[in-house]
Amino acid sequence: DTAVSQTPKYLVTQMGNDKSIKCEQNLGHDTMYWYKQDSKKFLKIMFSYNNKELIINETVPNRFSPKSPDKAHLNLHINSLELGDSAVYFCASSGIAGLRTDTQYFGPGTRLTVL
Amino acid sequence: KNQVEQSPQSLIILEGKNCTLQCNYTVSPFSNLRWYKQDTGRGPVSLTIMTFSENTKSNRRYTATLDADTKQSSLHITASQLSDSASYICVVSPDNAGNMLTFGGGTRLMVKP
Repeated sequence: DTAVSQTPKYLVTQMGNDKSIKCEQNLGHDTMYWYKQDSKKFLKIMFSYNNKELIINETVPNRFSPKSPDKAHLNLHINSLELGDSAVYFCASSGIAGLRTDTQYFGPGTRLTVL
Repeated sequence: KNQVEQSPQSLIILEGKNCTLQCNYTVSPFSNLRWYKQDTGRGPVSLTIMTFSENTKSNRRYTATLDADTKQSSLHITASQLSDSASYICVVSPDNAGNMLTFGGGTRLMVKP
């Protein structure tokens, strides 16, 4: 009964390929997020999404696109992968959109390695 | 530029000892500050969330303090256990950014027997 799950856990691919990472939450939350954790362990938000609004961190290249088939899923699609995309990607969710003190629940992460 | 700085970067203590981790931030305006625990190979787990009006908050052996005037927070771990070995991340939310959080680089704590 995992709250926030991601697949795959590990992803190794060649430069230039297109790949997707899937995220599902069974908490009934309204808002989902994608984060990137680099080699220095800094977590940076990439996207925040609920039924009404997609908030994009302006530093995220447009090769990255979130896709949400329904409220429980927010997948991350990456086009034309580059070496610098290698990182751990975390999905998260929270219950109430815009509530500033709402706890975010994180998935286990997907380690992406671009060769 | 919004920044969150944590110290020390890493810390080794013996099981049963106490320790204190520090967090300084320049995020403004300020809405709330969170401490997360991240075990190796796993996602962060929330320990505490404090708004500007809260000075201290406890969660079992974890006690977080917040001084919104000096923009400093600390996380005190009492009677450390081997399972406390993890990275502890300080996260600050600006007042007008909803759920857009600024993360610190974390303090890597190792508890040895």
